[in-house]
Amino acid sequence: DTAVSQTPKYLVTQMGNDKSIKCEQNLGHDTMYWYKQDSKKFLKIMFSYNNKELIINETVPNRFSPKSPDKAHLNLHINSLELGDSAVYFCASSQVFGRGLYNEQFFGPGTRLTVL
Amino acid sequence: AQTVTQSQPEMSVQEAETVTLSCTYDTSESDYYLFWYKQPPSRQMILVIRQEAYKQQNATENRFSVNFQKAAKSFSLKISDSQLGDAAMYFCAYNSGGSNYKLTFGKGTLLTVNP
Repeated sequence: DTAVSQTPKYLVTQMGNDKSIKCEQNLGHDTMYWYKQDSKKFLKIMFSYNNKELIINETVPNRFSPKSPDKAHLNLHINSLELGDSAVYFCASSQVFGRGLYNEQFFGPGTRLTVL
Repeated sequence: AQTVTQSQPEMSVQEAETVTLSCTYDTSESDYYLFWYKQPPSRQMILVIRQEAYKQQNATENRFSVNFQKAAKSFSLKISDSQLGDAAMYFCAYNSGGSNYKLTFGKGTLLTVNP
């Protein structure tokens, strides 16, 4: 079974459209994340949710809105897509609270978003 | 803010040889975690090895080992007996643990393995 899954894996769309990427984890983790990997392969945190509560919002335009319906899901909705939004978006999860843990993050396969 | 620096954009190694990838970081914290992730062309992020800052012993996972120098804020990755399947982008990452929820990544080192 896939630990962290994302759908879709590829997304091609026109500028101005609205799109969503879904993420699910079956690891029982309490924290989920969205990272963006740009064309130069640089990975940067966008959002983090702990038990459905938004913890980190790293200066991301408000066209990006994460939603966590439950601990196992974290979706990313993007409004009014721009050319600069083209990137690979990774979902990840980890167990933050607990003894003897080191906060290893497990990553999904990524979603390559191309905005034309 | 924490920063992670990988000074080698690209490295190459002959199959069966050993290669070391460099990573330095900047932090004012005393307790934190360091990771090396591998990203092959499939783009899947794979954890290679991790190190807890409070542990003096360097972590080892089969052919992968680290040289963790806390005072120098250095965390290099050594790959022994390199294999063709080791070819990938390697990212060094920092996490301050506790209630800090994010990984801060370096810019990556692209490793090529020559047959």
